[in-house]
Amino acid sequence: SYELTQPPSVSVSPGQTARITCSADALAKQYAHWYQQKPGQAPVLVICKDSERPSGIPERFSGSSSGTIVTLTISGVQAEDEADYYCQSSDTSGHVFGGGTKLTVL
Amino acid sequence: QVQLHESGPGLVKPSQTLSLTCTVSGDSISSGTHYWSWIRQPAGKGLEWIGRIYEGGSTNYNPSLMSRVTMSVDTSKNRFSLEVSSVTAADTALYYCARETMDIALVHYFEYWGQGILVTVSP
Repeated sequence: SYELTQPPSVSVSPGQTARITCSADALAKQYAHWYQQKPGQAPVLVICKDSERPSGIPERFSGSSSGTIVTLTISGVQAEDEADYYCQSSDTSGHVFGGGTKLTVL
Repeated sequence: QVQLHESGPGLVKPSQTLSLTCTVSGDSISSGTHYWSWIRQPAGKGLEWIGRIYEGGSTNYNPSLMSRVTMSVDTSKNRFSLEVSSVTAADTALYYCARETMDIALVHYFEYWGQGILVTVSP
């Protein structure tokens, strides 16, 4: 198994761009997925396979990958985007989640 | 619309076995097109994948929990279950069940989640 490393927190002002990273050597070969979790709610998939946006997710959410780092980008951040964000990936033994990043909208 | 609903005791005594069930609606476990997972989250902490089961009963468990976890599936009732034995306070968490989508490239991610059930381990 391996670990996915995320920054504990990211802060941005409304309308700015937030970038949250997730890193691991395994990400050079494995896809990553991103989940948004608001207080008291179950996680919601916002990006799958590094950069695909599921149906119903706003276009301001995007994802990218470069080597061992994947990035979740939220363009034009809104107050409602304040939440915890988790990356997730998989290997032959199962699934791993990053430690989570708390996005604060100032 | 796919929905998952966790049920079970909210309080378990230390050293006993935690037992939860996830009932699925809007999809059929027996279709064999998805895996079904359990994930937990201690209060104020991150997500931890516990394990998954397939419609035929095959399982994969998190190596860190493998010795204490058992999953089973009941396709006749469209539900799957989790047991964690010899629980301690460290097993206190919000437990989620989730449907694991597997696309044609065999990439897995969690598209549908239950609302979660809080399980507290306490005397």
